[in-house]
Amino acid sequence: NAGVMQNPRHLVRRRGQEARLRCSPMKGHSHVYWYRQLPEEGLKFMVYLQKENIIDESGMPKERFSAEFPKEGPSILRIQQVVRGDSAAYFCASSPVNAGASKLGFFGSGTQLSVL
Amino acid sequence: AQTVTQSQPEMSVQEAETVTLSCTYDTSESDYYLFWYKQPPSRQMILVIRQEAYKQQNATENRFSVNFQKAAKSFSLKISDSQLGDAAMYFCAYMGGGGATNKLIFGTGTLLAVQP
Repeated sequence: NAGVMQNPRHLVRRRGQEARLRCSPMKGHSHVYWYRQLPEEGLKFMVYLQKENIIDESGMPKERFSAEFPKEGPSILRIQQVVRGDSAAYFCASSPVNAGASKLGFFGSGTQLSVL
Repeated sequence: AQTVTQSQPEMSVQEAETVTLSCTYDTSESDYYLFWYKQPPSRQMILVIRQEAYKQQNATENRFSVNFQKAAKSFSLKISDSQLGDAAMYFCAYMGGGGATNKLIFGTGTLLAVQP
């Protein structure tokens, strides 16, 4: 039973390019959370999605960042026109429907984005 | 807004000894959950232990236990019989119990070194 899968593990982009980060939740999980970890900091919540629906995007920057979780396929976090300040590790977590705290804890290994 | 504070950026412990990592939080909610996550150099986020606020009994998972002081809003992690594999960054996290999002709020982490 595979865990939460994120790819790529490392992503290098030049300033102004687009970055696309993918997250495949655990089997049977239909809810996805994205977090960002800046250097020397803890993880910060970005967005919470269900299939085809954004539930809470209160942690997402207003510009250049978007997220989707289509009916089929992985969840995608998209960063347009990347800047050096976007360099961070981006983590995805998943949970089943109506999960309480007992179902949390399933994180992927993260994508390290480096902007040159 | 809820906050989580870890006041020890770094800690060190001798192998086989016991170490306690501190965490305090601030919230006006009465229903919530607290977590400790371990992040080794591989960057994988690993759930170590969780505590429901309504439970008075402190959670325990093998060599890991917590000291949950609800009135003081304190949630420390005790690691007994420390092993070299315990060396990692440890994050304390909070999740409100009444909301629909189940998002985690993380502290800034404590880097634990284990000396042989």
